[in-house]
Amino acid sequence: LAKTTQPISMDSYEGQEVNITCSHNNIATNDYITWYQQFPSQGPRFIIQGYKTKVTNEVASLFIPADRKSSTLSLPRVSLSDTAVYYCLVQDNYGQNFVFGPGTRLSVLP
Amino acid sequence: NAGVMQNPRHLVRRRGQEARLRCSPMKGHSHVYWYRQLPEEGLKFMVYLQKENIIDESGMPKERFSAEFPKEGPSILRIQQVVRGDSAAYFCASSRDGAEDTEAFFGQGTRLTVV
Repeated sequence: LAKTTQPISMDSYEGQEVNITCSHNNIATNDYITWYQQFPSQGPRFIIQGYKTKVTNEVASLFIPADRKSSTLSLPRVSLSDTAVYYCLVQDNYGQNFVFGPGTRLSVLP
Repeated sequence: NAGVMQNPRHLVRRRGQEARLRCSPMKGHSHVYWYRQLPEEGLKFMVYLQKENIIDESGMPKERFSAEFPKEGPSILRIQQVVRGDSAAYFCASSRDGAEDTEAFFGQGTRLTVV
């Protein structure tokens, strides 16, 4: 299972774009990259998933370079309610898909 | 389609008692994962189960903890002879399968307090 590394914390201001980068140097050919968001006292929830290049949904964008050794979650124009912990995961097909690292604690300031 | 249901939401146990945490996966999901989370910390993987099988229990403490996912009914995480250090939030997640692009859905968690 590919190990992931991401910043422990980040601060931003309302209305700014936030980019959180995750490193996964030993990602395997068939692995997918997934990001989850967790608010205090709640279970994590799925944000976005990608395999290569760029994926965009109504919440975020995910940028994956050609070598796939890193990925960047982009949150456009964050608001106070985006304050949460963001987890980057690498999923394989061997079953141990959902092993979470410490995540990135994003604080959005007014 | 109801989400992942965990009960109870809050559980208080005295030291030495048993704690039973229940998780009903989403309809159609046969894969269940349990996690423990201490305040201000990340999710720590405990165990991964499919119906009637434990697939990976590498995160489970060797003693006092057990998990099952029977053919019928919810998945159960059982903690025997609880100690204060077991106090934490326990989250359950379910997925349809174990594929590399599958999505996990989480419950709201059970907050265990050992007094």
